[in-house]
Amino acid sequence: EIVLTQSPGTLSLSPGERATLSCRASQSVSSTYLAWYQQKPGQAPRLLIYGASSRATGIPDRFSGSGSGTDFTLTISRLEPEDFAVYYCQQYDRSLWTFGQGTKVEI
Amino acid sequence: EVQLVESGGGLVQPGGSLRLSCAASGFTFSNYWMTWVRQAPGKGLEWVTNIKQDESERYYVDSVKGRFTISRDNAKNSLYLQMNSLRVEDTAVYFCARMNPSCTNGICYFTPFNGMDVWGQGTTVTVSS
Repeated sequence: EIVLTQSPGTLSLSPGERATLSCRASQSVSSTYLAWYQQKPGQAPRLLIYGASSRATGIPDRFSGSGSGTDFTLTISRLEPEDFAVYYCQQYDRSLWTFGQGTKVEI
Repeated sequence: EVQLVESGGGLVQPGGSLRLSCAASGFTFSNYWMTWVRQAPGKGLEWVTNIKQDESERYYVDSVKGRFTISRDNAKNSLYLQMNSLRVEDTAVYFCARMNPSCTNGICYFTPFNGMDVWGQGTTVTVSS
């Protein structure tokens, strides 16, 4: 089973700053099968990025994804107040999905 | 409007059973892989199970194999999760979600690996004596 480890656990930043979130896999992951989500308290997750770098419908271009192999990154170029949330990476391998433990982006 | 609405959650004793439902609207339900994801209180997301459009393929996380069964009724635009032999550690909010298709030049491939693009609001399952 592939394990995803996200870092840091918490990221403390201010609006307007750049956020860089890391997701490291215990084995190589196909870029096609790597996704990122945002979740706010009391809400369902929202798909941000799929295929490691493709933005989902309606996602602002300040969100970008990159990476390959075992190292993937979600970047938020300039934080807006509504971006403070928990972010999860997710991978698909042999018909099973797994999530990372999440990174909280806080003010 | 594309929408998923879960129901059926509640309080159940350990060893008991519960059946969750997810009603889909605003899209052609029968085209999509569907999935259940759960979130224990204060914890992260955990994928639980997937089902193919025609029910010919179903996959489960190891911790629920043999206890949970995913199914669907395309005529009723509904997804289900039958949960038996429930344990305290199954306590969570359960979300149903649609698998994001892969679309290029107006042609869409309804695959299970492109992320989850539409989510319900979740239904709470509490397993406690």
